[in-house]
Amino acid sequence: KQEVTQIPAALSVPEGENLVLNCSFTDSAIYNLQWFRQDPGKGLTSLLLIQSSQREQTSGRLNASLDKSSGRSTLYIAASQPGDSATYLCARQGGSEKLVFGKGTKLTVNP
Amino acid sequence: DTAVSQTPKYLVTQMGNDKSIKCEQNLGHDTMYWYKQDSKKFLKIMFSYNNKELIINETVPNRFSPKSPDKAHLNLHINSLELGDSAVYFCASSRWTGGIFSGTEAFFGQGTRLTVV
Repeated sequence: KQEVTQIPAALSVPEGENLVLNCSFTDSAIYNLQWFRQDPGKGLTSLLLIQSSQREQTSGRLNASLDKSSGRSTLYIAASQPGDSATYLCARQGGSEKLVFGKGTKLTVNP
Repeated sequence: DTAVSQTPKYLVTQMGNDKSIKCEQNLGHDTMYWYKQDSKKFLKIMFSYNNKELIINETVPNRFSPKSPDKAHLNLHINSLELGDSAVYFCASSRWTGGIFSGTEAFFGQGTRLTVV
């Protein structure tokens, strides 16, 4: 049973475009929603953490929102750059502290 | 300074061998985790330790035995390695909140790519 779903699985955009990555989750008992970036052959880099009492978080060109009632989170990337190319993972955290991950969105930003 | 570090980064071994992966964090966190990323890149929790005590064991075969000598270290020992154990294993850490209300940000190591031949 897939608890966290990320759409699309892959996305290719030209440099400079604004884009939105989607994450949906089935369990409303969510405490945190965390977005990560994973580069090929590398570990996970934490991008943004949205706590359950928050609706959004911003860091530079990144903005993440959380709507618990609809079970959705979005990651907005403004003015995309080739260096943004990576796989973006969302993970929800429930009561047991563990993170439940989606399968990721592979983003390619073309120069 | 590396926040969460794992060794080795790559591990190639034969079926039936026993191997260990080490993890250390210098963030002062009290909770550490092992996650497995399979060939389809799907990440899933294996174990979690809080203050050296096991709190999560996600039906992982008992050939996998985590050990936490102190809050800053969580090692993973795997006995009788099988082909299906080939994956990338990630260590992570966070600050324990007791599972109520809001949790905290988790930080991951660079991963250990295990290949069983």
